[in-house]
Formats: sequence, C-alpha cells, structure tokens
Amino acid sequence: DAGVIQSPRHEVTEMGQEVTLRCKPISGHDYLFWYRQTMMRGLELLIYFNNNVPIDDSGMPEDRFSAKMPNASFSTLKIQPSEPRDSAVYFCASSAGFITGQLATNEKLFFGSGTQLSVL
Amino acid sequence: GENVEQHPSTLSVQEGDSAVIKCTYSDSASNYFPWYKQELGKGPQLIIDIRSNVGEKKDQRIAVTLNKTAKHFSLHITETQPEDSAVYFCAASINPRAGANNLFFGTGTRLTVIP
Repeated sequence: DAGVIQSPRHEVTEMGQEVTLRCKPISGHDYLFWYRQTMMRGLELLIYFNNNVPIDDSGMPEDRFSAKMPNASFSTLKIQPSEPRDSAVYFCASSAGFITGQLATNEKLFFGSGTQLSVL
Repeated sequence: GENVEQHPSTLSVQEGDSAVIKCTYSDSASNYFPWYKQELGKGPQLIIDIRSNVGEKKDQRIAVTLNKTAKHFSLHITETQPEDSAVYFCAASINPRAGANNLFFGTGTRLTVIP
C-alpha cells in the first residue's frame, strides 16, 4: 500500500480564497482523521470519520472549515474563506478500528505527508 | 479530557549517547501510549507503543517504560545515531466507547544527535 496520500503538498493562496485539501486513506482503514500542526498549538485534531461518517468535529475552529468523506477512499477539508491564521501543516491520518470485547478502538494512526498551507 | 505533557521540548545528545523523553498524563483511564517520530517534511510515524498492562517494551535501540501509578511514560533511545534526529511525540489513549476517538498528543521533543 502507498500509505495515506495527501494533495497538494504545498498550497499558497491569498486571503479570502477557497482552499481544498485532499486525502486518500489506506485501503481498508475505517477511521480517517484531519489534524492541523502549528508551532504554537502542536498537533490539533480537527475532525474524524468512522466508516465515512463524521463522528467528532469539535476541533474544527470555525464555520469556515468543513470536511467531507463521500466514500471510503477519499476525504476533503475545505476552508472558505481562508485567512492568514489558517497557515499551518494539515495532516490526514487513517487507522483500522478493531473490536476488543464490547469496545471499538482506533489505534496505530498512519499519517500522510501533510499539506503545507500558506495564506497570504 | 486527557492532558499530556512532554519534556524536554528540545534535546541534544552526542552520537552514541542515550536520549530520554518523558511524558505525563492526567487521566488514569488511559491505557494505550504510542510514540511517533516526525522527520522534516513528513508526517508523524509510529515507532513504538505500549499498553497499560505492560511496564516496559523494547524494540532494538528504542524502549518505552510506563509507570501507571505515577502516570508517566518515557521513551529511551540508546546508541543514538544522526538519523534519530527528529521531533518525537508521545500520546495517550483513553479506553473509549465504540467509535470514540481517544488519542491525545504531547507537544513534541526536537531531538538532535550531534555526530
């Protein structure tokens, strides 16, 4: 497997423009996560999906951010309109959930290479 | 929620020496503790993990120890090499209900191995 694939690797845009980040998780993984990494805040979980359904989006900073997962092999994170403070590295990660007794857990995250976003 | 603290934020060692990174967590329900290594321009990669029913785990030059009573865990790298230079993140996982996310990351340690 090629691992988690993110595109683009770098994105430079002007304030107010729409930005769309893309992610292809590892085949067979049923959890997908979007993280944002900055020097100030480290790794922040924005949203995650289980079987294409958004489970927790409490980390999404504002209504300007939205994420979708139309199928098991593709997800997007959209920022509209973008602002300079959105500049960060955005990571997508996936994992294979498994059942332990009556609990399902997702561990062993596999991260993509990230998208470096710069909003001017 | 869970709070994971990581120290030090930066660490420099001579090649061949050992490096130790320490993390503490706040929620005694946490039961899974992975460590991730992030090289420049790449995403974090899992290097070792430990569960709460184990006190120590070793994989070649890296080892992780866990003290549940004190709620802290550590990463040990022996015989460091220049390629060990990276940012290391610890994380803690709370045993979740079905479908719940539970991974909380520390703030990272930038390790530099000086040749």
